[in-house]
Amino acid sequence: GAVVSQHPSRVICKSGTSVKIECRSLDFQATTMFWYRQFPKQSLMLMATSNEGSKATYEQGVEKDKFLINHASLTLSTLTVTSAHPEDSSFYICSASRRGGGTDTQYFGPGTRLTVL
Amino acid sequence: DAKTTQPNSMESNEEEPVHLPCNHSTISGTDYIHWYRQLPSQGPEYVIHGLTSNVNNRMASLAIAEDRKSSTLILHRATLRDAAVYYCILRDNKFYFGSGTKLNVKP
Repeated sequence: GAVVSQHPSRVICKSGTSVKIECRSLDFQATTMFWYRQFPKQSLMLMATSNEGSKATYEQGVEKDKFLINHASLTLSTLTVTSAHPEDSSFYICSASRRGGGTDTQYFGPGTRLTVL
Repeated sequence: DAKTTQPNSMESNEEEPVHLPCNHSTISGTDYIHWYRQLPSQGPEYVIHGLTSNVNNRMASLAIAEDRKSSTLILHRATLRDAAVYYCILRDNKFYFGSGTKLNVKP
């Protein structure tokens, strides 16, 4: 299957700092990438859709100024958590969309565990 | 967005088939049915997807009801590595995850 990577896999930061997470599609070009957040024992929550060369679209309730998304190329999207606070601690997962069989199949990265102290 | 309903958990014995149900009574004609699974602390893994006809691949089979209001993911011989949370998702544009079914496989 298609491969999507994330970096870093784990990050610990102090409250008030910003953290950047990278998402790369390694073997295909992805015009659309998605960012999710998952709290312990909960399901994935879609945060935003990242479109190459245009602004990201955010789901209701997600602060666009806090979660900055940049999709500068067809293989890379970044999520920056600005002024992180302990409540932002979560598992962040990206996915890249690849068209096939009449629909877009999403391939997910391995996730990034963010801990804000 | 059309929603899906899945049992919270299911249990299976190793080497036996597993049928994971999903109800999606408000599905629209353009929604594809996707199944993913997630192991702890990992990203979801694609399993299978379909629109109207039943589908088979090396991982599983997907049986779709004629009215498309329900579907069943079939693992033909469960192994311990199949223990995961299985998500049934209706895909028109974006993916919205429900709570999924946690599958426990007993040796």
